[in-house]
Amino acid sequence: GQQVMQIPQYQHVQEGEDFTTYCNSSTTLSNIQWYKQRPGGHPVFLIQLVKSGEVKKQKRLTFQFGEAKKNSSLHITATQTTDVGTYFCAGTKNTGNQFYFGTGTSLTVIP
Amino acid sequence: NAGVTQTPKFQVLKTGQSMTLQCAQDMNHNSMYWYRQDPGMGLRLIYYSASEGTTDKGEVPNGYNVSRLNKREFSLRLESAAPSQTSVYFCASSEWAEAFFGQGTRLTVV
Repeated sequence: GQQVMQIPQYQHVQEGEDFTTYCNSSTTLSNIQWYKQRPGGHPVFLIQLVKSGEVKKQKRLTFQFGEAKKNSSLHITATQTTDVGTYFCAGTKNTGNQFYFGTGTSLTVIP
Repeated sequence: NAGVTQTPKFQVLKTGQSMTLQCAQDMNHNSMYWYRQDPGMGLRLIYYSASEGTTDKGEVPNGYNVSRLNKREFSLRLESAAPSQTSVYFCASSEWAEAFFGQGTRLTVV
């Protein structure tokens, strides 16, 4: 079954509102990555987090990795229409180089 | 650099037909993957190859076979297509860090 879950599955926001998606794994992860997929496109890498409790920022995007390395979040401040797409987390474990993708959160931004 | 190239982009098959999806990467990556994407299910791993000459099953391998022809190429074969295999298929490659994805193949089995 799915080892990495994401919530919510869908999110509609007004332009300018904030957005957060949460990623939860049933097991400890070695690292976690975030990807963005535009409608009709393919997933594109955004960032990787490796350390417990790590926080990274990319302009309006803030990524966190949980202390137990089992959960992560992506927060977007003041969404823009260019943020539309599906955001996936993907974790890897120490045992191999498989990526365990989350179920994704589809973000719609209403102008 | 082309990155990861998948062919074809679109395909319609009849139930029972066979086909091979091709994937090639020019980044000298050791690891290559095949995923399928269905609405609400995210990306599910079909097969992966950690290095040339090795392949391993992922989460949903039934009905598929793969070949790691060389370091560059990793193909996915459907021997007898079924409607349940209607999906978008992505090939990806990586070298211990980010995964690079191809443009995807939209497959419909009727």
